[in-house]
Amino acid sequence: GESVGLHLPTLSVQEGDNSIINCAYSNSASDYFIWYKQESGKGPQFIIDIRSNMDKRQGQRVTVLLNKTVKHLSLQIAATQPGDSAVYFCADPSGGSYIPTFGRGTSLIVHP
Amino acid sequence: IAGITQAPTSQILAAGRRMTLRCTQDMRHNAMYWYRQDLGLGLRLIHYSNTAGTTGKGEVPDGYSVSRANTDDFPLTLASAVPSQTSVYFCASSENSGAGDTQYFGPGTRLTVL
Repeated sequence: GESVGLHLPTLSVQEGDNSIINCAYSNSASDYFIWYKQESGKGPQFIIDIRSNMDKRQGQRVTVLLNKTVKHLSLQIAATQPGDSAVYFCADPSGGSYIPTFGRGTSLIVHP
Repeated sequence: IAGITQAPTSQILAAGRRMTLRCTQDMRHNAMYWYRQDLGLGLRLIHYSNTAGTTGKGEVPDGYSVSRANTDDFPLTLASAVPSQTSVYFCASSENSGAGDTQYFGPGTRLTVL
């Protein structure tokens, strides 16, 4: 089946630094991607999405970049705060059903 | 507005017992989903429902069943629980099941099967 993977299981940063979380996908037909944030003891929460006709999309302190050539996307968090500490998932609705397939997740740890 | 609620919050269950995890949403969303989350494996789809009266199998459906008698409720049943079903279970819903429909997740149910 198709896979959505995250390169690093854990990312540690200092408060105020920028964070970059990477994700690779294998389905070249994928046309829509979602990033979720999951805080400890809670369910995943939508952060930002991007369609394949875009290379970049910006939200509040977050930017998602999509490189369709190498099938890679990244989530950039500016001026990382302790409240950003969580597990981040990229999800890929594919296969025509548009039901997201989730990667394993990257744990972001922000040190004050 | 509560969004999505799940019950129970946590449960310890003896192997072989039957268990139903409850999920209710008040957003009138058409689509609902059940995922399990295991350490190192991320979220895996168990079953889904695109609309009331219909259900479909996800990636890991064996040992689980669902029903969707109405829009709001989407219970997940383990007919005869086994230890490998120890996991955190998340219910989610979206307005529809098309691209661009954001999933909203419940708080999860932590299930331990002994």
